[in-house]
Amino acid sequence: GAVVSQHPSWVICKSGTSVKIECRSLDFQATTMFWYRQFPKQSLMLMATSNEGSKATYEQGVEKDKFLINHASLTLSTLTVTSAHPEDSSFYICSAQGLAGVDTQYFGPGTRLTVL
Amino acid sequence: KNEVEQSPQNLTAQEGEFITINCSYSVGISALHWLQQHPGGGIVSLFMLSSGKKKHGRLIATINIQEKHSSLHITASHPRDSAVYICAVPHSGGGADGLTFGKGTHLIIQP
Repeated sequence: GAVVSQHPSWVICKSGTSVKIECRSLDFQATTMFWYRQFPKQSLMLMATSNEGSKATYEQGVEKDKFLINHASLTLSTLTVTSAHPEDSSFYICSAQGLAGVDTQYFGPGTRLTVL
Repeated sequence: KNEVEQSPQNLTAQEGEFITINCSYSVGISALHWLQQHPGGGIVSLFMLSSGKKKHGRLIATINIQEKHSSLHITASHPRDSAVYICAVPHSGGGADGLTFGKGTHLIIQP
């Protein structure tokens, strides 16, 4: 089956620093990758849609200048949380949509970000 | 934008019981996802279905497109089935959308 990896799996950083999270599709090409976040005891929420070679589309309420998304290749998308603050502490999950079928989404294992 | 309602929010059952989790959504969709999330947070995709019924081991998922409703069933439940089960549908109904998630059903199976 299709595998999506995320790196790092967890990260702790100081307030004001930037953190980059990588999402890779390991055995398939992903035309579209999605970034979600989940605050404690809440449901997952879509942050942005990332298409290879084009600018990401952000959901309402998500600051594009704070959450920088780069989808430079068909197997890699990165999310950079710039000038992180404690309220950015969350669980970030990516999913990748393959070329084979637009309905199929494969989820990464997630990255737990804690900002001190 | 699609809205998703799941029920029940919490469910505790005894090992061996038949489990049903329900999901309703507001906008017609191309496919619906059932996901499982364990305490560590990782998400496992259980099913993606657009019509009828799918079965994988002790898990069965059904969907009624006309009624905008899906159910996830677990037969002969086991403590290892304890997890949060989440229903998700395309944000705007289409296949190339990100997903909108239900709040999840927190399932505990007691031995």
